[in-house]
Amino acid sequence: EAEVAQSPRYKITEKSQAVAFWCDPISGHATLYWYRQILGQGPELLVQFQDESVVDDSQLPKDRFSAERLKGVDSTLKIQPAELGDSAMYLCASSLTGTYGYTFGSGTRLTVV
Amino acid sequence: QKEVEQDPGPLSVPEGAIVSLNCTYSNSAFQYFMWYRQYSRKGPELLMYTYSSGNKEDGRFTAQVDKSSKYISLFIRDSQPSDSATYLCAMIRWGSGNTGKLIFGQGTTLQVKP
Repeated sequence: EAEVAQSPRYKITEKSQAVAFWCDPISGHATLYWYRQILGQGPELLVQFQDESVVDDSQLPKDRFSAERLKGVDSTLKIQPAELGDSAMYLCASSLTGTYGYTFGSGTRLTVV
Repeated sequence: QKEVEQDPGPLSVPEGAIVSLNCTYSNSAFQYFMWYRQYSRKGPELLMYTYSSGNKEDGRFTAQVDKSSKYISLFIRDSQPSDSATYLCAMIRWGSGNTGKLIFGQGTTLQVKP
């Protein structure tokens, strides 16, 4: 069964450092999403790509977060500088355009100390 | 006020019990309604989806949607310890360019005790 790959699985970083997460969606899925899930809460959308273009980044804290999907395939989410409040699970998902079938990766658990 | 409201629980039931999980929503623009299951330290996995009002059954799971009341439910029959997880309701609001935005509830943590 096809999966969304994410790395690393776990990341511990110090406050003010830079951190990056990587996602490889299911082959052929043009739409890619990055979600943030704070412990005890539901996932919240940070950014949505359609191929290499950003469709929605209204909830992305642009002063410290950036996301790219240069060739419309894999994607990187970066935080610089990291803050204590960024500790969360960062989930990547992908889907075929116009469908409800979102497939999520296992996520990256970020701890900022 | 959040667009999707879900009681976080936790909910603890004995094995074999019928479980009822619920969500309410405020935006009539929501279309597809889904339930995701999330095990600890894992990503959410799609359990069931529905589009119209009514019931949809899949094995021990039944999803129910009442668009007039803006209320959705998930019922689990004959619950098993392996059902212990966080259950997230989610809904899609379609935007421009045929792109959908998936909005989640807070999630309900369920524990099924043997």
